[in-house]
Amino acid sequence: SQWGEENLQALSIQEGEDVTMNCSYKTYTTVVQWYRQKSGKGPAQLILIRSNEREKRSGRLRATLDTSSQSSSLSITGTLATDTAVYFCATYAGAKLTFGGGTRLTVRP
Amino acid sequence: EAGVTQSPRYAVLQEGQAVSFWCDPISGHDTLYWYQQPRDQGPQLLVYFRDEAVIDNSQLPSDRFSAVRPKGTNSTLKIQSAKQGDTATYLCASSLNPRGNTLYFGAGTRLSVL
Repeated sequence: SQWGEENLQALSIQEGEDVTMNCSYKTYTTVVQWYRQKSGKGPAQLILIRSNEREKRSGRLRATLDTSSQSSSLSITGTLATDTAVYFCATYAGAKLTFGGGTRLTVRP
Repeated sequence: EAGVTQSPRYAVLQEGQAVSFWCDPISGHDTLYWYQQPRDQGPQLLVYFRDEAVIDNSQLPSDRFSAVRPKGTNSTLKIQSAKQGDTATYLCASSLNPRGNTLYFGAGTRLSVL
């Protein structure tokens, strides 16, 4: 398997709090993507980070990539109830995008 | 710009029945993917195409699953004789090309096999 953690993790927080989700991967990559999947929808990409960037921001989102530890994180500041979703990291093995187990984030209003 | 369209949205079958899923990718995207997403798991790649050619179908259960993209646009995924273990959401995605680009997903087809 490409991923260190295969099962869906769960987090429940209060609106307004900050949250960080982590993932680790086994095979070398230079690109990690983070996707968000809301109930009944397909995944939608939030942020793509390359190994030469180490950190990338987009609005309230911040992604990091540490190729030496083969790990990535996604942080959301000032969460909203509408951030409730499942969050996946994904990376390329060859030309195939593979997904980790994901984190089910519930933001309570 | 229209997104990726999938149909049907839901399907309920008895074991042994056949079912087909249809996908219309974003216009101009030459790469099309089919993923299987069991409940509470991440999407798992089944097969992907570049234009009409199958690039990788190594994770496709070939005895019962088949996928085609005859004109390099729309695609059909078929399960010949469904099993309860096939219960999952089937997602179609497309991208401009297969090298490190964003995948755009459809809403998926939720399949239940009783």
